Amino acid sequence: QVQLVQSGAEVKKPGASVKVSCKTSEYTFTDYYMHWVRQAPGQGLEWMGWINPNSGGTKFAQNFQGWVTMTRDTSISTAYMELSRLRSDDTAMYYCARGGFSSPYDAFDIWGQGTMVTVSS
Amino acid sequence: QSVLTQPASVSGSPGQSITISCTGTSSDVGSYNFVSWYQQHPGKAPKLMIYEVTKRPSGVSNRFSGSRSGNTASLTISGLQAEDEADYYCCSYAGSSTVLFGGGTKLTVL
Repeated sequence: QVQLVQSGAEVKKPGASVKVSCKTSEYTFTDYYMHWVRQAPGQGLEWMGWINPNSGGTKFAQNFQGWVTMTRDTSISTAYMELSRLRSDDTAMYYCARGGFSSPYDAFDIWGQGTMVTVSS
Repeated sequence: QSVLTQPASVSGSPGQSITISCTGTSSDVGSYNFVSWYQQHPGKAPKLMIYEVTKRPSGVSNRFSGSRSGNTASLTISGLQAEDEADYYCCSYAGSSTVLFGGGTKLTVL
């Protein structure tokens, strides 16, 4: 079945960067937008942005512009999210979520299992 | 941009119906059909329950339904079951390439 499998938990120091991967299977990777959503402990969901796996084009939420990068490797059907200049309040679970076929704003129908990123000195 | 407004908590007894509201503005919920709802059990990833305001994905129980009136979307769960106890989030496209989530609602089945 369609699956998104994310990389394992990370512990980083403040100021460092983290790169999370999201490997897809059982569908055509380049046909669907990929979004990233984060959730701080005990908090709600926060949309970070999307990547068009076909073109590599991206759009980011205003809060993340300038310090998030989203890339993809079509040869291995994998999307990546890199967050730089980490702060303690970036401690959160990070999810990849499959978006629409024809529009990036269709619902997120498949989610990865999440990657916990802990920022601590 | 502000999150969409949801009640922090709702509760109901097994077999009852409950409704969770999601209030936005004419720039988001009131303008686009890209309104969706997600269920999240503790320690799990969110699961899509409703998309395009009223549509149910294959495999989601028909006890779940979505609607919209003006700038407020709603999720109704009928015939409450213990397994429905979870957090629920609404989500909407807000124009200018922006997506908003609601703050989340904790559903307790008494």
